[in-house]
Amino acid sequence: KAGVTQTPRYLIKTRGQQVTLSCSPISGHRSVSWYQQTPGQGLQFLFEYFSETQRNKGNFPGRFSGRQFSNSRSEMNVSTLELGDSALYLCASSSGGGEETQYFGPGTRLLVL
Amino acid sequence: QKEVEQNSGPLSVPEGAIASLNCTYSDRGSQSFFWYRQYSGKSPELIMSIYSNGDKEDGRFTAQLNKASQYVSLLIRDSQPSDSATYLCAGSSNDYKLSFGAGTTVTVRA
Repeated sequence: KAGVTQTPRYLIKTRGQQVTLSCSPISGHRSVSWYQQTPGQGLQFLFEYFSETQRNKGNFPGRFSGRQFSNSRSEMNVSTLELGDSALYLCASSSGGGEETQYFGPGTRLLVL
Repeated sequence: QKEVEQNSGPLSVPEGAIASLNCTYSDRGSQSFFWYRQYSGKSPELIMSIYSNGDKEDGRFTAQLNKASQYVSLLIRDSQPSDSATYLCAGSSNDYKLSFGAGTTVTVRA
């Protein structure tokens, strides 16, 4: 089975711009979660989607949003980028149970200048 | 207080030795625990999952869970230079998210 894929792998943006990241889960997985990883804060949960519905959301400002499509692919969007949004954004997929193993994609490294 | 805490490290062990990693959690509702390995510049990859009290072994890795003490550990036996990485402990409380510790960086000296 192919793993989780994320595009793009690298992005450079400037403050105030917006960005959209994409994630395709493992075939058959219906849950997609997003995490932000920074050296200072570690891995932090952004949100989780299952069957196009957001089931949980982390403690991030409203500039961070996401959605899931009927084929389980997911996108996250960050508007009005700030320098502090520079991070590795990781997508993980699972079958959809509340405590099931999540498998991570390679990540999108975002640099905000 | 973070939901998941890991012993700070970094941890340096000689090749062939046992590396011991520890993790505590604050949410008694947590039922599932995971150890991920993350090489520098890469994404986390799953090593072990553990759901019940006791030990779970997979090759050179043994995970231990003690729900009464809210404690999870990972032992790496016969450590190899390829085990040099950051190890992340994560817990889940049936709320569709993983709560991660800060990670412990392990260096295996040849």
